[in-house]
Amino acid sequence: KAGVTQTPRYLIKTRGQQVTLSCSPISGHRSVSWYQQTPGQGLQFLFEYFSETQRNKGNFPGRFSGRQFSNSRSEMNVSTLELGDSALYLCASSLATGPDTQYFGPGTRLTVL
Amino acid sequence: ELKVEQNPLFLSMQEGKNYTIYCNYSTTSDRLYWYRQDPGKSLESLFVLLSNGAVKQEGRLMASLDTKARLSTLHITAAVHDLSATYFCAVGQGSQGNLIFGKGTKLSVKP
Repeated sequence: KAGVTQTPRYLIKTRGQQVTLSCSPISGHRSVSWYQQTPGQGLQFLFEYFSETQRNKGNFPGRFSGRQFSNSRSEMNVSTLELGDSALYLCASSLATGPDTQYFGPGTRLTVL
Repeated sequence: ELKVEQNPLFLSMQEGKNYTIYCNYSTTSDRLYWYRQDPGKSLESLFVLLSNGAVKQEGRLMASLDTKARLSTLHITAAVHDLSATYFCAVGQGSQGNLIFGKGTKLSVKP
């Protein structure tokens, strides 16, 4: 069974630009969550999607948004990029039928110059 | 607000020694996870603990959960170099996909 895939793996952008990251969950998984990992703040929850609906959102500004498609694939978008948005963005998927393990993808390393 | 604290944050061990990583959390939760992260890599799931007194073991690692004390431990037995990594505990909050992570414990096992 294929794992969680994320594209692109690396991205370099400049301040003010916007970026879209993509995540394909494990086949059959309906819940997709996004996390931001930085050396200073650690791993922080961004949002969770289930059946195309945002089920929960972390404490991030409105520049961070996401969506989920009918095939459970998810995208997150960051508009008006700031230097502080440089981070590893991790996507995780789970069955969401109970307290199931979340399986993480390899991440997208975003660098904002 | 749920807070998760791990200690120690850094741990340098000699091969063959035993040690324990602690994970405290501030409010009630129905699930606790342990993950491992190697440098430049993603998170690998180690354990899911769902009930008070739960204990799980895999190789040289054993995790336990005390929900009354809001404490989980990850015990390392006879450490080997391959265990060098950063270990995170995470506590579920609210819906399925919302995990609050500790800061991580960077473990270095030296010969």
